Amino acid sequence: DVKVTQSSRYLVKRTGEKVFLECVQDMDHENMFWYRQDPGLGLRLIYFSYDVKMKEKGDIPEGYSVSREKKERFSLILESASTNQTSMYLCASSLTESSYNSPLHFGNGTRLTVT
Amino acid sequence: EDQVTQSPEALRLQEGESSSLNCSYTVSGLRGLFWYRQDPGKGPEFLFTLYSAGEEKEKERLKATLTKKESFLHITAPKPEDSATYLCAVQAGYNTDKLIFGTGTRLQVFP
Repeated sequence: DVKVTQSSRYLVKRTGEKVFLECVQDMDHENMFWYRQDPGLGLRLIYFSYDVKMKEKGDIPEGYSVSREKKERFSLILESASTNQTSMYLCASSLTESSYNSPLHFGNGTRLTVT
Repeated sequence: EDQVTQSPEALRLQEGESSSLNCSYTVSGLRGLFWYRQDPGKGPEFLFTLYSAGEEKEKERLKATLTKKESFLHITAPKPEDSATYLCAVQAGYNTDKLIFGTGTRLQVFP
């Protein structure tokens, strides 16, 4: 089974802090994704990556950046955390470039609170 | 604008009481529709992919169907362990791999 591991289940940070969310997958998947999940808004794509050192903006990239130095690891960075970034963050991976025939495998999420 | 709408927002069922969840979509060029299950405190877990109108997929008590405008997730004789939030997502267009997610249906099944 594919395992996507997010390093923290819960995080509490202060406004203005730089925050790192880490994600590791163990199935040699090409693609990795970061979503945030908020009540009433569903899952929204922040950034994704098709390969090492490649990144693409999703629908809501403002205030975030990402890093993919190794195939199995995809990091989400909040450059200067703000209260409106309080959310559940979900990392996902998929095997091929097209999710058309390759469903997403999700981690269990990191619930971030910014105070 | 591409859009995915799920209804109802929440559904309470008695054990054994069959029902259906709806996912309606307005997208240009549907490439695939996905159903996921999400338990509290966990990430979504993949259930089904449907590619074309008329297609059906089954897994235990769940059956997913697809038309040109909507998908249904039918739950037959549900059990308490079927309680979860069910998410629908679509992949639209031929120049993107991004998914558009609905906001989910929260299902509670009582014994």
